[in-house]
Amino acid sequence: QKEVEQNSGPLSVPEGAIASLNCTYSDRGSQSFFWYRQYSGKSPELIMFIYSNGDKEDGRFTAQLNKASQYVSLLIRDSQPSDSATYLCAALTGGGNKLTFGTGTQLKVEL
Amino acid sequence: DTEVTQTPKHLVMGMTNKKSLKCEQHMGHRAMYWYKQKAKKPPELMFVYSYEKLSINESVPSRFSPECPNSSLLNLHLHALQPEDSALYLCASSQDRGGAGNEQFFGPGTRLTVL
Repeated sequence: QKEVEQNSGPLSVPEGAIASLNCTYSDRGSQSFFWYRQYSGKSPELIMFIYSNGDKEDGRFTAQLNKASQYVSLLIRDSQPSDSATYLCAALTGGGNKLTFGTGTQLKVEL
Repeated sequence: DTEVTQTPKHLVMGMTNKKSLKCEQHMGHRAMYWYKQKAKKPPELMFVYSYEKLSINESVPSRFSPECPNSSLLNLHLHALQPEDSALYLCASSQDRGGAGNEQFFGPGTRLTVL
């Protein structure tokens, strides 16, 4: 079982819709969770991080964490074509320095 | 300054060459990382330096040799690489406060091609 799992997609949503990206993790010792956006040929860019159960909002982005279900999600409201990218979910393990990534979900926002 | 810089942006080398990748950050972060990323795959952790000491080596072949001269600089020395080592090499840094938070910020990467 992979430590961090994501659906590879592609996930296609129309412009202006809500995109919902999901991630599960297996290590209950994981303390913090991160969402990175990566455009093709570029490096990962940190979008959100969350370490408490519940929701965390930042602009059009909301991260959700449910530690009991070992589930993390990212909602993108009012999706724009510029949001089209691969979204990487990552969990912090190994005493706080080891970041384990999921395989990423490709998001396509269509006009 | 919230930037991690990497040089060079692109590197082409032969299997007998010796080259180095450089990474720099001025955010006062005390942890620095090297990752390798192949096309359509997530980044894979190679090395972690914490307070200038190597704390994690993910069983990386010895043809990759990391070095942390000071808290702002991280190098990756390359020698006798194989074509399958061609990838995007990413540097990252974080506060290294452990536990919650400790978000990592990535540099733009070095695109390495081994001929």
